[in-house]
Amino acid sequence: GDSVTQMEGPVTLSEEAFLTINCTYTATGYPSLFWYVQYPGEGLQLLLKATKADDKGSNKGFEATYRKETTSFHLEKGSVQVSDSAVYFCALSTTGNQFYFGTGTSLTVIP
Amino acid sequence: DTAVSQTPKYLVTQMGNDKSIKCEQNLGHDTMYWYKQDSKKFLKIMFSYNNKELIINETVPNRFSPKSPDKAHLNLHINSLELGDSAVYFCASSQGGQGRNSPLHFGNGTRLTVT
Repeated sequence: GDSVTQMEGPVTLSEEAFLTINCTYTATGYPSLFWYVQYPGEGLQLLLKATKADDKGSNKGFEATYRKETTSFHLEKGSVQVSDSAVYFCALSTTGNQFYFGTGTSLTVIP
Repeated sequence: DTAVSQTPKYLVTQMGNDKSIKCEQNLGHDTMYWYKQDSKKFLKIMFSYNNKELIINETVPNRFSPKSPDKAHLNLHINSLELGDSAVYFCASSQGGQGRNSPLHFGNGTRLTVT
């Protein structure tokens, strides 16, 4: 079945450090891939998405590239800020009605 | 102009009680969902409705009953609450008819505490 595996946290980085959160997927069809961010006390917000192989999603300095050959969608940011502290979720959808989420990765950025 | 709104934000109740959580979306989406998030942030799909029809019904105790009076609303009623029901419950919506490219939009969650 379809599934998403993302690196376990928690991740702690100093401000301006480089961030990578790994995400790999298994899907029977051609999924769309998403990264969601959850700030403390809030719901999940769409951070970025990619709908086909080699697409790059980007938003707020975050990027992720849809790699079909490695079935991956790793999240990266060149220079993190304290305000990026949150939980990040990788997700996929193959039908539009069913979404599969990773377990979430908690990121803490310290000044 | 809140897109997906759910009430209440906090719900504290005793074991054995019955409670409801309401959800409304003003995005014109045709599919709505309930997710449960545990203390480790793990998200579990509970139910999904498309145009008021139940399309996903995961292994959830039958004490949980969703109700969709119209495609903009999906409420969750929980009977005989148990300690293990304590969690954050998220409502979400998507334009499922547009296929796999349509993302989920989440409400801000309802934190349920059962004592």
